[in-house]
Amino acid sequence: SAVISQKPSRDICQRGTSLTIQCQVDSQVTMMFWYRQQPGQSLTLIATANQGSEATYESGFVIDKFPISRPNLTFSTLTVSNMSPEDSSIYLCSVLSGGTDTQYFGPGTRLTVL
Amino acid sequence: GENVEQHPSTLSVQEGDSAVIKCTYSDSASNYFPWYKQELGKRPQLIIDIRSNVGEKKDQRIAVTLNKTAKHFSLHITETQPEDSAVYFCAASPTGGGADGLTFGKGTHLIIQP
Repeated sequence: SAVISQKPSRDICQRGTSLTIQCQVDSQVTMMFWYRQQPGQSLTLIATANQGSEATYESGFVIDKFPISRPNLTFSTLTVSNMSPEDSSIYLCSVLSGGTDTQYFGPGTRLTVL
Repeated sequence: GENVEQHPSTLSVQEGDSAVIKCTYSDSASNYFPWYKQELGKRPQLIIDIRSNVGEKKDQRIAVTLNKTAKHFSLHITETQPEDSAVYFCAASPTGGGADGLTFGKGTHLIIQP
């Protein structure tokens, strides 16, 4: 399976600021996704990162709050904008590769907003 | 959209006994059902998955069954070991195939008592 890395691994931010999270894959992948996992909770899909076009957002998530870029087949970024304490979560990217249905997850970025 | 219910939220079993976790889904178009194991502080790891054209799949001590008519699927772990202790998540692909992102259940905290 693909090797996935995320930066930063964790951060503590002040409310009102923004943080950009990077997801890097060691091989080209067909699909990349961003999920949120609030403390002690399950995973919720934020959006599908589309290469060369605008991301596809799930209900309850908007581009102004979570802008996403995917400039190529190995890299994507998620920005959490104008943060509030409710944005404190683990943010995970996942990738789909090899013509399969299997999604592999990155190690996650643990975000704390004060 | 898809809705996935998972039970129980916590399951405690004696080492060596079997554990069963059950999930139901709402969207009859879903046709891909993975199970992930997440240890504390780690990323979710795929342990087994099943597609709608298959009723059961086994991998050593782990098995998954699917009843498309009833829209439910279950994870079975036999001969449980201490390293099986973790949170387990079921998921469904809402429009068929993992390429559309996953809808997760709320998770089951499996505790293996020595």
